[in-house]
Amino acid sequence: SAVISQKPSRDICQRGTSLTIQCQVDSQVTMMFWYRQQPGQSLTLIATANQGSEATYESGFVIDKFPISRPNLTFSTLTVSNMSPEDSSIYLCSVYLQGGIQYFGAGTRLSVL
Amino acid sequence: SQELEQSPQSLIVQEGKNLTINCTSSKTLYGLYWYKQKYGEGLIFLMMLQKGGEEKSHEKITAKLDEKKQQSSLHITASQPSHAGIYLCGADISGANSKLTFGKGITLSVRP
Repeated sequence: SAVISQKPSRDICQRGTSLTIQCQVDSQVTMMFWYRQQPGQSLTLIATANQGSEATYESGFVIDKFPISRPNLTFSTLTVSNMSPEDSSIYLCSVYLQGGIQYFGAGTRLSVL
Repeated sequence: SQELEQSPQSLIVQEGKNLTINCTSSKTLYGLYWYKQKYGEGLIFLMMLQKGGEEKSHEKITAKLDEKKQQSSLHITASQPSHAGIYLCGADISGANSKLTFGKGITLSVRP
């Protein structure tokens, strides 16, 4: 399996600030996915990031709140903007690799005060 | 409503006991994935099932997908404390090798 690195692994942020999460993959991939896992809940897809095009957002998620960059085939960032305590979650990036298996990064655990 | 239902919600077993957890969908699944998550961490891939009736095993864990491709079970033989965690099933319900829809997860505790 590929190595998927996420940074930061955790952070505590103040209300109203923004945090950018990085996801680095050690192989080139077409699509990268960003998920959110709220406390006690399952994973919910935020958006799909394709290199060279705008990210595709799921219902309930908007670009102004969760801007995504995808500058190349191995890297993506997700920004959580103007944070509130409701944004406290684990954020995970994932990619499809050989065999059609979706692998996940270790996640970013965000707490907003 | 939740598209993937997992049961039971949580489970506590004595070390050495066998257990089975389930994942059920009202829709045909094009791919069914089982992941394990330690508290607050990322997802560890366990197994992927795509064909009706398919069964895969790895060490003491066996996963099955029914013929209708709407239900999957995960069986752990002779459970150990290292098996403790949250087990999530995720499914490709669009058939486009795209996003996965997840169940809420099953919390497994194994008592020594």
